[in-house]
Amino acid sequence: DQQVKQNSPSLSVQEGRISILNCDYTNSMFDYFLWYKKYPAEGPTFLISISSIKDKNEDGRFTVFLNKSAKHLSLHIVPSQPGDSAVYFCAARGRVYGGSQGNLIFGKGTKLSVKP
Amino acid sequence: GAGVSQSPSNKVTEKGKDVELRCDPISGHTALYWYRQRLGQGLEFLIYFQGNSAPDKSGLPSDRFSAERTGESVSTLTIQRTQQEDSAVYLCASSLGGQGLNHGYTFGSGTRLTVV
Repeated sequence: DQQVKQNSPSLSVQEGRISILNCDYTNSMFDYFLWYKKYPAEGPTFLISISSIKDKNEDGRFTVFLNKSAKHLSLHIVPSQPGDSAVYFCAARGRVYGGSQGNLIFGKGTKLSVKP
Repeated sequence: GAGVSQSPSNKVTEKGKDVELRCDPISGHTALYWYRQRLGQGLEFLIYFQGNSAPDKSGLPSDRFSAERTGESVSTLTIQRTQQEDSAVYLCASSLGGQGLNHGYTFGSGTRLTVV
Protein backbone atom coordinates (compact mmCIF):
# COMPACT_ATOMS: atom_id res chain seq x y z
CA ASP A 1 0.00 0.00 0.00
CA GLN A 2 1.47 3.31 -1.07
CA GLN A 3 1.92 5.70 1.81
CA VAL A 4 3.10 8.59 -0.34
CA LYS A 5 1.11 9.14 -3.50
CA GLN A 6 1.71 11.36 -6.47
CA ASN A 7 -1.38 10.79 -8.55
CA SER A 8 -0.29 12.78 -11.59
CA PRO A 9 2.44 10.98 -13.53
CA SER A 10 3.00 14.04 -15.71
CA LEU A 11 2.32 17.76 -15.93
CA SER A 12 2.87 20.21 -18.78
CA VAL A 13 3.12 23.95 -18.14
CA GLN A 14 3.94 26.99 -20.23
CA GLU A 15 7.11 28.90 -19.39
CA GLY A 16 6.41 31.76 -16.98
CA ARG A 17 3.29 30.15 -15.55
CA ILE A 18 2.89 28.42 -12.20
CA SER A 19 3.60 24.69 -11.83
CA ILE A 20 1.73 22.93 -9.02
CA LEU A 21 2.84 19.44 -8.10
CA ASN A 22 0.70 17.52 -5.64
CA CYS A 23 1.38 14.80 -3.12
CA ASP A 24 -0.88 12.93 -0.69
CA TYR A 25 0.12 10.76 2.22
CA THR A 26 -1.68 8.32 4.46
CA ASN A 27 0.42 8.11 7.62
CA SER A 28 -0.24 10.86 10.16
CA MET A 29 3.05 10.00 11.88
CA PHE A 30 5.09 11.47 9.05
CA ASP A 31 6.81 14.51 10.53
CA TYR A 32 8.94 15.83 7.69
CA PHE A 33 8.36 16.18 3.99
CA LEU A 34 10.79 16.81 1.18
CA TRP A 35 10.76 17.40 -2.55
CA TYR A 36 13.45 16.06 -4.85
CA LYS A 37 14.12 16.81 -8.48
CA LYS A 38 15.60 14.25 -10.86
CA TYR A 39 17.07 14.72 -14.31
CA PRO A 40 17.58 11.68 -16.58
CA ALA A 41 20.68 9.60 -15.77
CA GLU A 42 21.29 11.57 -12.58
CA GLY A 43 20.46 10.92 -8.96
CA PRO A 44 17.67 12.91 -7.30
CA THR A 45 18.68 16.26 -5.85
CA PHE A 46 17.15 17.85 -2.81
CA LEU A 47 14.91 20.82 -3.53
CA ILE A 48 12.99 21.93 -0.45
CA SER A 49 11.61 20.52 2.79
CA ILE A 50 8.96 21.30 5.36
CA SER A 51 8.41 20.23 8.93
CA SER A 52 4.96 19.09 9.96
CA ILE A 53 4.79 21.95 12.43
CA LYS A 54 4.71 24.42 9.55
CA ASP A 55 2.26 24.94 6.72
CA LYS A 56 4.48 26.77 4.27
CA ASN A 57 8.14 27.00 3.35
CA GLU A 58 9.49 29.21 0.59
CA ASP A 59 12.83 29.22 -1.19
CA GLY A 60 13.11 31.48 -4.19
CA ARG A 61 10.76 30.31 -6.92
CA PHE A 62 9.83 27.20 -4.93
CA THR A 63 7.18 27.05 -2.20
CA VAL A 64 5.91 23.97 -0.43
CA PHE A 65 2.51 24.01 1.24
CA LEU A 66 1.43 21.44 3.82
CA ASN A 67 -2.19 20.74 4.76
CA LYS A 68 -2.01 18.27 7.63
CA SER A 69 -5.73 17.84 8.04
CA ALA A 70 -5.98 16.78 4.40
CA LYS A 71 -2.65 14.90 4.48
CA HIS A 72 -1.69 16.81 1.38
CA LEU A 73 1.30 18.80 0.28
CA SER A 74 2.07 20.68 -2.87
CA LEU A 75 5.07 22.24 -4.54
CA HIS A 76 4.58 25.50 -6.38
CA ILE A 77 7.13 26.74 -8.90
CA VAL A 78 6.68 30.35 -9.96
CA PRO A 79 7.60 31.32 -12.61
CA SER A 80 8.27 28.00 -14.30
CA GLN A 81 11.34 27.77 -16.51
CA PRO A 82 12.30 25.20 -19.18
CA GLY A 83 15.21 24.11 -16.95
CA ASP A 84 12.67 23.03 -14.35
CA SER A 85 11.65 20.16 -16.64
CA ALA A 86 12.42 17.03 -14.61
CA VAL A 87 10.79 14.35 -12.50
CA TYR A 88 9.76 15.62 -9.07
CA PHE A 89 9.54 13.21 -6.15
CA CYS A 90 7.70 13.85 -2.92
CA ALA A 91 9.16 12.13 0.15
CA ALA A 92 8.12 11.76 3.78
CA ARG A 93 9.90 10.74 6.94
CA GLY A 94 8.52 9.04 9.97
CA ARG A 95 8.37 5.79 11.88
CA VAL A 96 6.34 3.69 9.51
CA TYR A 97 5.23 0.14 10.26
CA GLY A 98 8.50 -0.92 11.83
CA GLY A 99 10.74 1.07 9.53
CA SER A 100 13.52 3.27 10.74
CA GLN A 101 12.93 6.92 11.44
CA GLY A 102 15.95 7.65 9.29
CA ASN A 103 14.72 6.59 5.90
CA LEU A 104 12.42 8.46 3.56
CA ILE A 105 9.35 7.08 1.82
CA PHE A 106 9.09 8.33 -1.76
CA GLY A 107 6.22 8.78 -4.16
CA LYS A 108 6.37 7.57 -7.75
CA GLY A 109 7.19 11.00 -9.10
CA THR A 110 5.60 13.52 -11.46
CA LYS A 111 7.28 14.39 -14.73
CA LEU A 112 7.13 18.14 -15.26
CA SER A 113 7.57 19.57 -18.75
CA VAL A 114 7.91 23.34 -19.05
CA LYS A 115 7.40 24.48 -22.62
CA PRO A 116 9.06 27.65 -23.95
CA GLY B 1 34.89 13.16 -2.37
CA ALA B 2 32.76 16.01 -3.56
CA GLY B 3 29.72 13.86 -4.15
CA VAL B 4 28.37 10.35 -3.75
CA SER B 5 30.07 8.04 -6.18
CA GLN B 6 28.55 4.78 -7.39
CA SER B 7 30.08 2.07 -9.52
CA PRO B 8 29.54 0.62 -11.96
CA SER B 9 27.18 3.08 -13.64
CA ASN B 10 25.72 0.26 -15.73
CA LYS B 11 25.71 -3.49 -15.21
CA VAL B 12 24.22 -6.18 -17.39
CA THR B 13 24.22 -9.62 -15.85
CA GLU B 14 22.77 -13.02 -16.59
CA LYS B 15 19.96 -14.37 -14.49
CA GLY B 16 21.33 -16.43 -11.60
CA LYS B 17 24.64 -14.58 -11.32
CA ASP B 18 25.71 -12.54 -8.30
CA VAL B 19 26.39 -8.81 -8.57
CA GLU B 20 28.08 -6.32 -6.30
CA LEU B 21 27.34 -2.62 -6.39
CA ARG B 22 29.56 -0.06 -4.74
CA CYS B 23 28.88 3.28 -3.10
CA ASP B 24 31.37 5.88 -1.91
CA PRO B 25 29.53 8.40 0.28
CA ILE B 26 30.53 11.98 0.93
CA SER B 27 33.37 12.11 3.42
CA GLY B 28 32.06 12.77 6.92
CA HIS B 29 28.51 11.65 6.19
CA THR B 30 27.62 9.12 8.84
CA ALA B 31 24.35 7.96 7.30
CA LEU B 32 24.17 5.92 4.11
CA TYR B 33 21.07 4.67 2.32
CA TRP B 34 20.35 2.33 -0.54
CA TYR B 35 17.24 2.76 -2.65
CA ARG B 36 16.16 1.27 -5.92
CA GLN B 37 13.87 2.53 -8.65
CA ARG B 38 12.22 0.01 -10.90
CA LEU B 39 10.72 1.14 -14.17
CA GLY B 40 7.68 3.34 -13.60
CA GLN B 41 8.00 3.14 -9.84
CA GLY B 42 9.11 5.47 -7.08
CA LEU B 43 12.24 5.12 -5.00
CA GLU B 44 12.04 2.00 -2.86
CA PHE B 45 13.98 1.98 0.41
CA LEU B 46 16.33 -0.98 0.83
CA ILE B 47 18.73 -0.45 3.74
CA TYR B 48 20.07 2.31 5.99
CA PHE B 49 23.39 2.55 7.84
CA GLN B 50 23.90 5.07 10.64
CA GLY B 51 27.35 5.21 12.19
CA ASN B 52 28.14 2.09 14.19
CA SER B 53 24.51 1.20 14.83
CA ALA B 54 23.01 -1.97 13.47
CA PRO B 55 21.72 -1.27 9.96
CA ASP B 56 18.02 -1.02 9.24
CA LYS B 57 17.47 -3.82 6.74
CA SER B 58 13.68 -3.59 6.76
CA GLY B 59 13.50 -2.69 3.06
CA LEU B 60 15.53 -5.56 1.65
CA PRO B 61 13.11 -7.51 -0.57
CA SER B 62 14.59 -10.97 -0.02
CA ASP B 63 17.51 -12.79 1.56
CA ARG B 64 19.29 -12.63 -1.79
CA PHE B 65 20.01 -9.00 -0.97
CA SER B 66 22.67 -7.95 1.52
CA ALA B 67 24.76 -4.88 2.17
CA GLU B 68 27.88 -4.06 4.09
CA ARG B 69 29.48 -0.83 5.12
CA THR B 70 33.04 -0.39 6.32
CA GLY B 71 33.00 2.13 9.16
CA GLU B 72 31.64 5.37 7.79
CA SER B 73 32.94 4.88 4.30
CA VAL B 74 32.33 2.58 1.37
CA SER B 75 29.25 0.39 1.14
CA THR B 76 28.58 -2.57 -1.11
CA LEU B 77 25.18 -3.95 -2.01
CA THR B 78 25.25 -7.59 -3.08
CA ILE B 79 22.49 -9.36 -4.94
CA GLN B 80 22.86 -13.11 -5.16
CA ARG B 81 21.27 -15.30 -7.82
CA THR B 82 19.87 -12.29 -9.66
CA GLN B 83 16.37 -12.43 -11.10
CA GLN B 84 14.83 -10.35 -13.87
CA GLU B 85 12.69 -8.47 -11.35
CA ASP B 86 15.91 -7.18 -9.78
CA SER B 87 16.44 -4.98 -12.84
CA ALA B 88 16.34 -1.41 -11.61
CA VAL B 89 18.44 1.67 -10.94
CA TYR B 90 20.09 1.23 -7.56
CA LEU B 91 20.67 4.56 -5.85
CA CYS B 92 22.92 5.27 -2.91
CA ALA B 93 22.59 8.40 -0.77
CA SER B 94 24.40 9.80 2.22
CA SER B 95 23.66 12.47 4.79
CA LEU B 96 25.08 14.10 7.88
CA GLY B 97 23.62 12.10 10.72
CA GLY B 98 20.42 10.15 10.31
CA GLN B 99 18.28 13.15 9.57
CA GLY B 100 19.38 14.90 6.41
CA LEU B 101 16.20 16.88 6.60
CA ASN B 102 17.26 20.47 6.14
CA HIS B 103 19.38 19.60 3.16
CA GLY B 104 18.04 16.21 2.26
CA TYR B 105 20.13 13.32 1.20
CA THR B 106 22.84 13.58 -1.43
CA PHE B 107 22.26 10.90 -4.00
CA GLY B 108 24.72 9.29 -6.37
CA SER B 109 23.90 8.87 -10.05
CA GLY B 110 22.96 5.26 -9.51
CA THR B 111 23.84 1.89 -10.99
CA ARG B 112 21.51 0.70 -13.73
CA LEU B 113 21.24 -3.07 -13.32
CA THR B 114 19.79 -5.14 -16.12
CA VAL B 115 19.26 -8.85 -15.58
CA VAL B 116 18.88 -10.78 -18.83
